[in-house]
Amino acid sequence: DTGVSQNPRHKITKRGQNVTFRCDPISEHNRLYWYRQTLGQGPEFLTYFQNEAQLEKSRLLSDRFSAERPKGSFSTLEIQRTEQGDSAMYLCAITSRGAQETQYFGPGTRLLVL
Amino acid sequence: AQSVTQLDSQVPVFEEAPVELRCNYSSSVSVYLFWYVQYPNQGLQLLLKYLSGSTLVESINGFEAEFNKSQTSFHLRKPSVHISDTAEYFCAVRRGPNNNDMRFGAGTRLTVKP
Repeated sequence: DTGVSQNPRHKITKRGQNVTFRCDPISEHNRLYWYRQTLGQGPEFLTYFQNEAQLEKSRLLSDRFSAERPKGSFSTLEIQRTEQGDSAMYLCAITSRGAQETQYFGPGTRLLVL
Repeated sequence: AQSVTQLDSQVPVFEEAPVELRCNYSSSVSVYLFWYVQYPNQGLQLLLKYLSGSTLVESINGFEAEFNKSQTSFHLRKPSVHISDTAEYFCAVRRGPNNNDMRFGAGTRLTVKP
């Protein structure tokens, strides 16, 4: 148990549709991160939150992407007008208050855009 | 910015043989180093980490990695692998506990054959 759950685990959508993923930290934490992982590559940083505040966004996060963490616990990542290039695994990670150097990952949401 | 190079994209080995997965990093400042393992259709699981102190770090399932500052390497080793070790392994580097720029290598696919 990594302390993070993600839903859905898989999502198939048609190009142009909007999708939303959810990340629920189970264990105590303070920072929450979103990554994207394409086939054959390592995860790439998208954005992170400290409590409710979104403190950093990668250049990978285009205008079609938006992330929220309204109450400082769970987070959502929305992709609007999906494109085939958005097909990837989207990973959520957390750090705990006592060990901010280590990120613990959820199982991910695999998105396929047809 | 730091970067990570995993020198082998695929490593096939026979069961009970030793294995080394290579990782080199580049950074102008002190870093934290990590190895994560990813099983099919799952998120990343922390395998081991180097933060400071002893340059040799071990995991609970027999893997070890040695931080070599002069060679900027953090190779992962196991003296005798099992079929269940078949997975994708990612090396990652991060600059200090409060820096959120975590970079991952492209991964090494370890396949253990009977």
